[in-house]
Amino acid sequence: DTEVTQTPKHLVMGMTNKKSLKCEQHMGHRAMYWYKQKAKKPPELMFVYSYEKLSINESVPSRFSPECPNSSLLNLHLHALQPEDSALYLCASSPGLGAFFGQGTRLTVV
Amino acid sequence: GDSVTQMEGPVTLSEEAFLTINCTYTATGYPSLFWYVQYPGEGLQLLLKATKADDKGSNKGFEATYRKETTSFHLEKGSVQVSDSAVYFCALRRMDSSYKLIFGSGTRLLVRP
Repeated sequence: DTEVTQTPKHLVMGMTNKKSLKCEQHMGHRAMYWYKQKAKKPPELMFVYSYEKLSINESVPSRFSPECPNSSLLNLHLHALQPEDSALYLCASSPGLGAFFGQGTRLTVV
Repeated sequence: GDSVTQMEGPVTLSEEAFLTINCTYTATGYPSLFWYVQYPGEGLQLLLKATKADDKGSNKGFEATYRKETTSFHLEKGSVQVSDSAVYFCALRRMDSSYKLIFGSGTRLLVRP
């Protein structure tokens, strides 16, 4: 299994909603990432988990809350988002060199 | 801080033309270098990588050589196809415990039949 699976593929949420994005990998990778990508821009790093511990938080607003329940799963909890948070959210995992990306969740905040 | 600079796009080529997409980097130490490709509506796919000076990464006809003296990692392909139309990202990873992957701005390639 060489996939990173993200669910859902598409999400529309209101500014008062709470939702979660999920990411799963079964490659035994030690690092997992959340990236945010706006149209025609490169991915922007949000969080890195290394061995299930948060190792990097790129000054992300607290309305985004990551969670790593175990070595295969990564969640991103969303609360009180703004329309400018609409973007493609990418999860990735890495065995140490290079990273494997999921297909992303396209999030629209209305 | 560490950074990656790519040539501005879009790059428009005819099928079977030669492709070069320039990438230069700034980093302390000896980073690993990568090229990723993103097709419309999809996530990023690792295209090739190199971990030390003079390494050549290659995959699907694409090649890039890690040039430490010029801090460059240019992507090349001898004969592009319409199916190569995508956005290409150069990236680096410092070889420390942070696992931080830093991307360039991306270069859009459009190949016309």
